[in-house]
Amino acid sequence: DARVTQTPRHKVTEMGQEVTMRCQPILGHNTVFWYRQTMMQGLELLAYFRNRAPLDDSGMPKDRFSAEMPDATLATLKIQPSEPRDSAVYFCASGLGGQGHTEAFFGQGTRLTVV
Amino acid sequence: GDSVTQMEGPVTLSEEAFLTINCTYTATGYPSLFWYVQYPGEGLQLLLKATKADDKGSNKGFEATYRKETTSFHLEKGSVQVSDSAVYFCALSDRTGGFKTIFGAGTRLFVKA
Repeated sequence: DARVTQTPRHKVTEMGQEVTMRCQPILGHNTVFWYRQTMMQGLELLAYFRNRAPLDDSGMPKDRFSAEMPDATLATLKIQPSEPRDSAVYFCASGLGGQGHTEAFFGQGTRLTVV
Repeated sequence: GDSVTQMEGPVTLSEEAFLTINCTYTATGYPSLFWYVQYPGEGLQLLLKATKADDKGSNKGFEATYRKETTSFHLEKGSVQVSDSAVYFCALSDRTGGFKTIFGAGTRLFVKA
C-alpha cells in the first residue's frame, strides 16, 4: 500500500535548536508539498516541488526555514533556529502533477513542539 | 490569487441528519475541486473530487457538484454517522497556480449518537 512517510512523528525541542523533518513521497510522484497546520492559521502551504525543483516557497519564512529534495525519494524541511511560534503539525504530501489536477496524498505529519 | 472559503464550524448534528458544508472558490483558471477529510491524529485523505463544471464527485455517501456559475462545491450527505465526525477541507488545484493545492480553513463536524 503506497503511502507518504514522515519522520519523526513527534518532536519536542528547545528554542534555538535546529529541527529537520523528513518525508518520503510515494514512488513515482513528481510533486511534493510541505504544509503547516495550526489552530489559528489552519493549513498553510509552505513550499512545493515539481521534479525536485522548488516551484514556490513564498509561504515559508526564509530567514529560518529551508526545504530541499536531495533526491526523488527524500524531501526535507529544516528550521534553524527554531522558535516557540513554529510549534505546529507539519504535513508532507505528494502527487502526480503537471498534466492535470494534482491530487495530494498526505503523510501522517510531524507534530513539532518548541519550548 | 486562488482561494477557497468554506463555512465555519463546528457543525454538530445528530446521527442520520442531513449534512451540508458550503464551499466557494476563487480561481483565475479552470480548477479541479476536492474535498479532503482529516480524522483525529491523521493526515488529510481525499474524499472526492470533480475536474470540470457540472461534474459530481461522490464517495462513501458524500456528494459534491462542481458549479461554475456559482463558483461552489458544497459537500452533502443524506444521513451522517458518528464515524463521520472529522474535519472536512475543501480544496482546489489550478493550472494557472502551478497545480499547487489550496485548502480552505476546514470545517469540524461532530455527529452525536
